[in-house]
Amino acid sequence: DIQMIQSPSSLSASVGDRVTITCRASQSISNYLNWYQQQPGEAPKLLIYGASSLQSGVPSRFSGSGSGTDFTLTISSLQPEDFATYYCQQSNSPPRTFGQGTKVEIK
Amino acid sequence: EVQLVESGGGLVQPGGSLRLSCAASGLSFSNFWMSWVRQAPGKGLEWVANIKQDGGEKYYVDSVKGRFTISRDNAKNSLYLQMNSLRAEDTAVYYCARDYRRTGWFADYWGQGTLVTVSS
Repeated sequence: DIQMIQSPSSLSASVGDRVTITCRASQSISNYLNWYQQQPGEAPKLLIYGASSLQSGVPSRFSGSGSGTDFTLTISSLQPEDFATYYCQQSNSPPRTFGQGTKVEIK
Repeated sequence: EVQLVESGGGLVQPGGSLRLSCAASGLSFSNFWMSWVRQAPGKGLEWVANIKQDGGEKYYVDSVKGRFTISRDNAKNSLYLQMNSLRAEDTAVYYCARDYRRTGWFADYWGQGTLVTVSS
């Protein structure tokens, strides 16, 4: 199975900060990488698919990049509603493994 | 509006069985792969299984192979997860999700989840 490692596991940031989360795959997954946001008590929400394509309705402050094994999710200017947990997921091959998550907290 | 509504969760003893259901509306259910994803309390997301439109292909995470069976009834717009030989580590919220393919696969619609608790 492909392992997905996110870093950091958690971070503290302020409103307006630029935030970057990284995700590394244990083998090349081309650009088959998705990012999800999950608020407490809610279902995950798709943000980015195909490493860099923004899902419809997602604010443009979210962006994704990378290919092969190394990927990043960037929030250009953190907003109050962005404090949540973020997960990467590979869809190169089943099982479609997730990273362990990155919790973004208020500084 | 796409809606996915899970049901069937509850408390079950170790070794017991449970069948989860996911009722879909607002989409052409028979046109899409569907998935189950779970989340243990306080933990991250774990992809569990998925199924092709006609049920002809199914994939499972190793930890549930031989114990869980994913199925669907396109006439009823419903997805199922039959869970047998349940273990404490299967305790989680179980989400159903629609799979979509565009530059890889992703889950773009999710249900609200149903909680399964395996405990004596």
